[in-house]
Amino acid sequence: AQSVAQPEDQVNVAEGNPLTVKCTYSVSGNPYLFWYVQYPNRGLQFLLKYITGDNLVKGSYGFEAEFNKSQTSFHLKKPSALVSDSALYFCAVREYAGANNLFFGTGTRLTVIP
Amino acid sequence: SQTIHQWPATLVQPVGSPLSLECTVEGTSNPNLYWYRQAAGRGLQLLFYSVGIGQISSEVPQNLSASRPQDRQFILSSKKLLLSDSGFYLCAWSTGRNQPQHFGDGTRLSIL
Repeated sequence: AQSVAQPEDQVNVAEGNPLTVKCTYSVSGNPYLFWYVQYPNRGLQFLLKYITGDNLVKGSYGFEAEFNKSQTSFHLKKPSALVSDSALYFCAVREYAGANNLFFGTGTRLTVIP
Repeated sequence: SQTIHQWPATLVQPVGSPLSLECTVEGTSNPNLYWYRQAAGRGLQLLFYSVGIGQISSEVPQNLSASRPQDRQFILSSKKLLLSDSGFYLCAWSTGRNQPQHFGDGTRLSIL
């Protein structure tokens, strides 16, 4: 069965410090992985994706994610957090080979403290 | 560029009343379309998806139904709402299975 886990419900980081939001996955084939961000009362916004190629993927707003096949992880990172990065972050994986839909994690709330 | 529209933004309905939420996409043809429900600002539950006009896949048995009468229109409906139907409903589109899904701003539905 396909699954994605976000082990931290809440992450707090000081402004200017690096941030990491963790995600691990489980799929039967090659993983197609995505990160999204959600601001209050808004839809999800796409940040970045890993399909194939370089393990370090760069995305929007200075975010990047590192695909680690041996650890089945796809952690989201940013070198220097901004207060405006405070939001709810979702990791997602393609459900199964050939599927059209995605399976989302339960989300991690990031708070950047000024 | 592509855009997605959902309306209404908020809706308050009594138990037992009907429901119709509409989603339209502009700037792309033959998109994959999705309806999700998000409870309490957390995880997303896929309700329906469609790969073409009249083609609807249901992921969860429930009180809701979906229709796709036109290529870029996706409608979520119910004949009689339940209290448990309350939530934040999100529509999304994508161009294919390896491509990201792009979300509308959602409809917050409250059932009284």
